[in-house]
Order: sequence, then C-alpha cells, then structure tokens
Amino acid sequence: QKEVEQNSGPLSVPEGAIASLNCTYSDRGSQSFFWYRQYSGKSPELIMFIYSNGDKEDGRFTAQLNKASQYVSLLIRDSQPSDSATYLCAPTYNFNKFYFGSGTKLNVKP
Amino acid sequence: SAVISQKPSRDICQRGTSLTIQCQVDSQVTMMFWYRQQPGQSLTLIATANQGSEATYESGFVIDKFPISRPNLTFSTLTVSNMSPEDSSIYLCSVGTGGTVGETQYFGPGTRLLVL
Repeated sequence: QKEVEQNSGPLSVPEGAIASLNCTYSDRGSQSFFWYRQYSGKSPELIMFIYSNGDKEDGRFTAQLNKASQYVSLLIRDSQPSDSATYLCAPTYNFNKFYFGSGTKLNVKP
Repeated sequence: SAVISQKPSRDICQRGTSLTIQCQVDSQVTMMFWYRQQPGQSLTLIATANQGSEATYESGFVIDKFPISRPNLTFSTLTVSNMSPEDSSIYLCSVGTGGTVGETQYFGPGTRLLVL
C-alpha cells in the first residue's frame, strides 16, 4: 500500500503571506511528484511537478523535494484569496500511476 | 494540455441500474485513467485504459462492476453497473501526456453521480 500523507487543514494564512503545504510519502520508488489544486466542486488542475531533489520555482509557486526524507512541499508566495482551495499531492510510480493524498485545504484571508 | 469533456456532467440514478460515462479528448492520447472521488475524499484510481488493450483495474475494482471501453485514442467510457448508493461519487477521467519524466495527467470536469 502506497501511503501519501497530507495535513487536512484547514491552513489559514493572511493575504500576501507565504503558504507552506507539506506531503510525505511511503514509496521510495516514487519518481515524480505532482501538485494539483482543486476548487470546491471542480476537478483537479495541475500546478506543477518536481522530480529532482531541491527546489523548483514556477511563478509564485515553489516545489521542494527531499527524497531521502520522502518529503515534498509546495510554497505559495504572496498568497491571494483566489488561492483558497484544496491542494493535492501526488507521487507517481512506474511513471504513470498517480497516488493522491487526501489534500490540504488552504484558506487565504483578505 | 488537452481539452477533456465528460458526459453526463451529473445524473441521479436508481439502484440496480447502470450508467455509462463518456470521456472525450481533443487530441490523441495513449493513456486514459478513470478515478472516483467520494464526498470529502481524495481521488482513487479505478483503472487505466489504453487503446487496443484491456483496461487494467486497481485493487478493489472489477471489470464486471466498472466495464471500460477505449475504442480509439480520443475516447473512453466507464460504466457503473448495478449501482448502489455507495456508488454515489464524482467520477473523473484523466489523460496522460507523456514527457521526459513520465506522464502528466490532466483531468476532465467530472461526472457527479447520485444513486438513490
């Protein structure tokens, strides 16, 4: 069984602050790590992915990966109320099989 | 990314009946996936559907209950058979777009199913 753990939240941050979302995974064979955002009543939308240890930046988003610790995180800089959503972490296995965490609900307060 | 549509967007069905959900993509893709998302839960993979081969089902899901077709590279269907209230869920299809580090998945809008 491949476990993906995320704090369910809600994580509340003020507008303009940095939101930090964390994810741990059990399968050391996981190759890539995806972050999706899901607004209430909508389907998940891709934010970004990372596959090498270290940081990867894409606009206001930074993914961080530490394979030794089996830990991946997503930082959102200058958080906006429109960032309020559930964030899903998804390690992959065999390059095409995704295992989704239960998600962290983020609330950005104006 | 691909543009994905699903039909129907929602339905209310009686127990014991079956519903077929369609997933259409605007470009040819090798891999399509079907997920279930129960209320307040995360996504659970039902099966992987590749064109020209039988679908591969995850543990806990069987072909008799969730038959899948994949007649070409832009279309797939998932049937939820002999439905019970426990099948009430959102059903999502996704497509894989291959890259140097494997497949990136993009999701359709989902089908909301309520079984009475």
